[in-house]
Amino acid sequence: DAGITQSPRHKVTETGTPVTLRCHQTENHRYMYWYRQDPGHGLRLIHYSYGVKDTDKGEVSDGYSVSRSKTEDFLLTLESATSSQTSVYFCAISAPDRDNSPLHFGNGTRLTVT
Amino acid sequence: GESVGLHLPTLSVQEGDNSIINCAYSNSASDYFIWYKQESGKGPQFIIDIRSNMDKRQGQRVTVLLNKTVKHLSLQIAATQPGDSAVYFCAENPPGGFKTIFGAGTRLFVKA
Repeated sequence: DAGITQSPRHKVTETGTPVTLRCHQTENHRYMYWYRQDPGHGLRLIHYSYGVKDTDKGEVSDGYSVSRSKTEDFLLTLESATSSQTSVYFCAISAPDRDNSPLHFGNGTRLTVT
Repeated sequence: GESVGLHLPTLSVQEGDNSIINCAYSNSASDYFIWYKQESGKGPQFIIDIRSNMDKRQGQRVTVLLNKTVKHLSLQIAATQPGDSAVYFCAENPPGGFKTIFGAGTRLFVKA
């Protein structure tokens, strides 16, 4: 899957605990993204990165933060998990010509917040 | 807000028949369109794309049609196979920015 690895694949955590999801790519692509997928809402952009230490918010960024200290790694952190953050999280990358390149996705992390 | 919609949430076809999945997009300025396939337990997988200066593009067993006049996108799958069973998403890229807009998805069932 385009050299994208997400970890962990499954996570169960309690409300109020911090959680970090990791995305690792081997394609050396500049652009990386975090999406969440929920029934009835499709895929929604949480945060994205356009380079090392360059990140910005997507449409559903509240309660999430990201970091990108290396080209290959993009971390998503839930500072204090809530039940509404139960979802499947997908990392994606895209080629340099971002406006005319498709996204390539990892296989997701299923997060359950109890 | 802006959205990419689908006319049919589920589609059931007989193996060997052709499938057509439709999508309406709302941003007339969008200039790049993509179809993705998502199988259970996996991330969306790129199938085919088309730029706004084209109205048709063909791949292997798949064709995407773009009608900018009515802001309509369709995915045609020829000789549908059981392995085509999945959820299909259309997506659009408005110019500039990072806001790829995804539709809600259509589930395709292929009956043997």
